[in-house]
Amino acid sequence: NAGVTQTPKFQVLKTGQSMTLQCAQDMNHNSMYWYRQDPGMGLRLIYYSASEGTTDKGEVPNGYNVSRLNKREFSLRLESAAPSQTSVYFCASSGGGINNEQFFGPGTRLTVL
Amino acid sequence: LAKTTQPISMDSYEGQEVNITCSHNNIATNDYITWYQQFPSQGPRFIIQGYKTKVTNEVASLFIPADRKSSTLSLPRVSLSDTAVYYCLVGDYRNQGGKLIFGQGTELSVKP
Repeated sequence: NAGVTQTPKFQVLKTGQSMTLQCAQDMNHNSMYWYRQDPGMGLRLIYYSASEGTTDKGEVPNGYNVSRLNKREFSLRLESAAPSQTSVYFCASSGGGINNEQFFGPGTRLTVL
Repeated sequence: LAKTTQPISMDSYEGQEVNITCSHNNIATNDYITWYQQFPSQGPRFIIQGYKTKVTNEVASLFIPADRKSSTLSLPRVSLSDTAVYYCLVGDYRNQGGKLIFGQGTELSVKP
């Protein structure tokens, strides 16, 4: 089991460029999430998908779009990157169970110049 | 989701027991208390979750008083590898799509 995987690990963009962050999980989880973490801060929820075919906004959705491609994959797209989107992005999934805990990927470090 | 307050940072030495207290005065009846651990350059990792009294697993213990307005994460005999940020979260995670609201967390530094 690879758990939650994210690609790429690092990315540098210029202002205005677009890119898609990929996330996949192999735990057959229904719910998936995208967070961003700025230096010295906790994580903030961007979007989440409670189940395949559904997506909902989190705390900070502006400037982002998501696609729940299938049960395994949940992608995050930046249409026109801005320096304020420089951050570390984490994808997570959860499958219910007694604690409904979330399992996080290793993160993508994004810099927008 | 209930707001939480926890110390920004704590220092400890190897072999000591560490207790991190979290305040959550507005906790709702259906809310659970959950703690996550985050090492540098990694995603958070679930440690423990509880509703009331005491919960213990192989990593930590969680103490919750009767009024549930605070909770204490206890790490027995810490080692250098326990240096991390610890987040206290409160919410009805079992019924709200599992959304997590992270605060700033407590940065624990374990010294030799």
